[in-house]
Amino acid sequence: GENVEQHPSTLSVQEGDSAVIKCTYSDSASNYFPWYKQELGKRPQLIIDIRSNVGEKKDQRIAVTLNKTAKHFSLHITETQPEDSAVYFCAASKSNYQLIWGAGTKLIIKP
Amino acid sequence: DVKVTQSSRYLVKRTGEKVFLECVQDMDHENMFWYRQDPGLGLRLIYFSYDVKMKEKGDIPEGYSVSREKKERFSLILESASTNQTSMYLCASRQTGEDEQYFGPGTRLTVT
Repeated sequence: GENVEQHPSTLSVQEGDSAVIKCTYSDSASNYFPWYKQELGKRPQLIIDIRSNVGEKKDQRIAVTLNKTAKHFSLHITETQPEDSAVYFCAASKSNYQLIWGAGTKLIIKP
Repeated sequence: DVKVTQSSRYLVKRTGEKVFLECVQDMDHENMFWYRQDPGLGLRLIYFSYDVKMKEKGDIPEGYSVSREKKERFSLILESASTNQTSMYLCASRQTGEDEQYFGPGTRLTVT
């Protein structure tokens, strides 16, 4: 079955710097790749997603890139701010199947 | 605005007790999910339901059962709670044909 690996498990960056979180997936039939953000004590919320027919998607300071050949996708956050501190989860799925989740990355923004 | 609620934020139960966790969504979503969240393991799917009275096993169904008698409500049942079921339990819902899952606030269950 599908397996999603996420790295790093913890990422600490200086405020204002960029952060990159990477995920790899095993099932080449996967075609939907969302990223969820979970702030401390709160519920996970979708922040950006990408489908396999697109190589990159951007929304203000966040972007996701997808490399189908290598079966990996990444979340990029530029000009990091304190409110970006959270746990970020990647996931992968085939059409309307359930999501397979990565283990999560704890992003720490240092002032 | 989608609202997903869970019956308790914190719950403490004894080993062997029967435990009910309830989830209610108010957006008429067909699909509902139960996950458990453990540090370093991400979100693992326990059960999901595509519609009323339908249920499918996820990746870790052992020790759990579910009930979906009404569209808005999806219950997770621990028939005989064990200490290894101490975890954060998250419910989510999704509209058929759409991608985003909407999560509840979670129930932190401790089994002693």
